[in-house]
Amino acid sequence: SNKPTQPLSVSVALGQTARITCGGDIVGSDNVHWYQQKPGQAPVLVIYRNNKRPSGIPERFSGSKSGNTATLTISRAQAGDEADYYCQGWDSNTYVFGTGTEVTVL
Amino acid sequence: EVQLEQSGAEVKEPGESLKISCKGSGYKFTSYWIGWVRQMPGKGLEWMGIVYPGDSDTRYSPSFQGQVTISADKSINTAYLQWSSLKASDTAMYYCARLGQWLVDGDFDYWGQGTLVTVSS
Repeated sequence: SNKPTQPLSVSVALGQTARITCGGDIVGSDNVHWYQQKPGQAPVLVIYRNNKRPSGIPERFSGSKSGNTATLTISRAQAGDEADYYCQGWDSNTYVFGTGTEVTVL
Repeated sequence: EVQLEQSGAEVKEPGESLKISCKGSGYKFTSYWIGWVRQMPGKGLEWMGIVYPGDSDTRYSPSFQGQVTISADKSINTAYLQWSSLKASDTAMYYCARLGQWLVDGDFDYWGQGTLVTVSS
């Protein structure tokens, strides 16, 4: 499978920083986008083209990429940030989502 | 305000056909691709295909090619996802989503609320 790989889960203390990685060849070759999906809700775009934030997304969310790894960083984590997070790339004319990471705020 | 409004939940039996819809509003519907994404129970997101309502150009994921049909009716700002013969394994939540500015390497900037399809005998 050419799915970008993500950690299954990430835990972060309230107010601290969470980092979610997304790795693979797809990541290295093109832009990466990130989505937040809260339980029972549709996904929401939180970062596009590696590090750009759509309007309405808090500055606490940031993205970066180095080589074959992209990282979504959530600063000053809040209880409302608990969700599944998916990266998404592009490969051979297809849109490919990562395996997904469950973020828990302790 | 950009909105994608999807049709309601469906319960079908194996072998039946189904067409679900996604109506766009708040933007020029014919100028943006609309994609469909599957999420099976407890699983991740899978891209199925996209359609350009302006000219009905359609692209499919190899995993879904031949399994579903994606279309659009620009006169009523609506995109569709349809099956000719459902299987139990089609049970999932289906989302439509607008592709942003770029077709190649693009992001999905607005999403519908999802349509739950349950296939069971």
